[in-house]
Amino acid sequence: DSGVTQTPKHLITATGQRVTLRCSPRSGDLSVYWYQQSLDQGLQFLIQYYNGEERAKGNILERFSAQQFPDLHSELNLSSLELGDSALYFCASSKNRGYNEQFFGPGTRLTVL
Amino acid sequence: AQTVTQSQPEMSVQEAETVTLSCTYDTSESNYYLFWYKQPPSRQMILVIRQEAYKQQNATENRFSVNFQKAAKSFSLKISDSQLGDTAMYFCAFMSPTGANSKLTFGKGITLSVRP
Repeated sequence: DSGVTQTPKHLITATGQRVTLRCSPRSGDLSVYWYQQSLDQGLQFLIQYYNGEERAKGNILERFSAQQFPDLHSELNLSSLELGDSALYFCASSKNRGYNEQFFGPGTRLTVL
Repeated sequence: AQTVTQSQPEMSVQEAETVTLSCTYDTSESNYYLFWYKQPPSRQMILVIRQEAYKQQNATENRFSVNFQKAAKSFSLKISDSQLGDTAMYFCAFMSPTGANSKLTFGKGITLSVRP
């Protein structure tokens, strides 16, 4: 158990819908990262937050957005869902911005039908 | 931009034998970190081993060791005395901690099967 929690574990929804994935980092970790794992794209970085502020963006679609709240939990919002958004979404956390080991949550499996 | 290449999609090894997984990367950074992550069928991402680029000594963690060749930009993982529980997908990853972004860049992964 990494100490990072993600909910829900599985999500099945239809095209065009909107979903929210939630992540609670390890106690004391200020940075949260979101990654997407799909068969087509592999594992890729989406976005990073540090202490409530966006720090870096990767290959995140405009239909996707995220935020980190004052209690440091983070939410990833996916809207106007397409079949190709079906993937495993990981959240990871680390102590701060520089090098620190990233601890991964168990992931949320999103299936878009 | 950094890239990580894992050219072997699959490998198989007999239990108790040794296997080496290959990884190459490309970067213009001088300060960076390299990682091997394991993803078993449970899908959990587990850190296996990490290497700091400024360290010449290869990292080891029990049965896992790396061969880090900085000039060649090569970072291979050796698993000794393979066990059935080592069956998983293995990802090589790169991180440069400079600047504001400390994201991980992953290779496409290699599926390792350990045969009894």
